[in-house]
Formats: sequence, C-alpha cells, structure tokens
Amino acid sequence: GENVEQHPSTLSVQEGDSAVIKCTYSDSASNYFPWYKQELGKGPQLIIDIRSNVGEKKDQRIAVTLNKTAKHFSLHITETQPEDSAVYFCAASGGLTGGGNKLTFGTGTQLKVEL
Amino acid sequence: DTGVSQNPRHKITKRGQNVTFRCDPISEHNRLYWYRQTLGQGPEFLTYFQNEAQLEKSRLLSDRFSAERPKGSFSTLEIQRTEQGDSAMYLCASSVRGTAAGTGELFFGEGSRLTVL
Repeated sequence: GENVEQHPSTLSVQEGDSAVIKCTYSDSASNYFPWYKQELGKGPQLIIDIRSNVGEKKDQRIAVTLNKTAKHFSLHITETQPEDSAVYFCAASGGLTGGGNKLTFGTGTQLKVEL
Repeated sequence: DTGVSQNPRHKITKRGQNVTFRCDPISEHNRLYWYRQTLGQGPEFLTYFQNEAQLEKSRLLSDRFSAERPKGSFSTLEIQRTEQGDSAMYLCASSVRGTAAGTGELFFGEGSRLTVL
C-alpha cells in the first residue's frame, strides 16, 4: 500500500522565519495531497491541499509544492507566528490502494515557533 | 455547530470490557471514516462508509472491532474485549463524495480518547 514519510519530526523556528516540512510518497498513482494541522486535544484540520495536476499552490502565508517525478511534496510557511505552533501532517490518497478518499498520513512534524 | 461530533470525548475502561463510540458527521456528507491515532503518530485508516454501506476495512480492524452506519447518518464503532493496545484516539471524519476531479476534503471530529487499564 501507500507509504508516506515525513521530515523533520520536530522543527523549531524563530517568529517571522520560514518553516519547511517535506514528505515523500510511494504510490505513483496517488493524486491528492492534503496538509493538516492538529492542535493539542483537537482533530486534524485541513490547511491546504494540492492535486497532481498542479505543481504549486499558495494561500496567504502557506504554500505547497509537488514534484510528481520525485514523488515528494512540501509545505512552506512564511512569516511564522506563535499560533502556527502545532503538529502538521501530510497525507496522500487516490492511488492504487487509496481510492475513496482514504488518506495515508505521515508521522507528523511538531512545529514550535519561538518568540 | 455543524461540524463532526464525537462522543464520548474520553473513555477509561478495564481490559476485557466493551466500548462504543458514536460519530455524527456533517449532515450533507455521505462519506464517513474512522481513523485511529496513537501518541506521536499520524492517523491510521480503519474503515469508511458511503451512506450506509461499509466499503473498505483496514487489516488493522481486527474481529473485535465493528462499525455500523445503519441509516447513513451517524456511525458507531464498537470494540469488544478491549486490550491495552487499543488505547488510542479514535477519530471520525466525513466528506462529500469525491468527483472525477479528485478527492474531497475530510473534516475531522475532535476524537474519542480511549484508555484501557
């Protein structure tokens, strides 16, 4: 089945700096790549997603890039703020074993934005 | 609030007992998913329904686990003869059916945390 690897597992940045989280996937047929933010005691919340027919997508301070050839995608957060501190998960679906919106998640990145 | 609702939020039980969790999805969503999340890990897929039909079950879902969505609205996840290894956060999510353009967004509830003593 699909396997999603995520790095780094922890990331500490100064407020105002940029943060980058990287993921790789194994199923070349996967076509949907969302990113979720999970705050303590809450369920994951979608922050941005990208489909395999585009290479980059931006939403204010957040951007995601996708390299289908290399099978990796990245989350970029610019001008980080303390409220960005959370666990971020990448995910993939739509491949040979990912039909029906079944998402395979990475192991998460604990982002800490320090003042 | 019209988000995904899960109950109970926390459950502590003794090994060997049965537990049941309930999920109420967003009303217009016809797909409903159960995921399990252990500490420091990403959510792992357990099963999903389209309306009342259970379309896929993970190999993670042992015979002690059963999920239902009898009228295509709320769903229950029952764990029989609980084991300490069942301790986890059980997350429910819902979505509209994906289109030819691709998968639809999954909306997660806040989860039901199970502790098996």
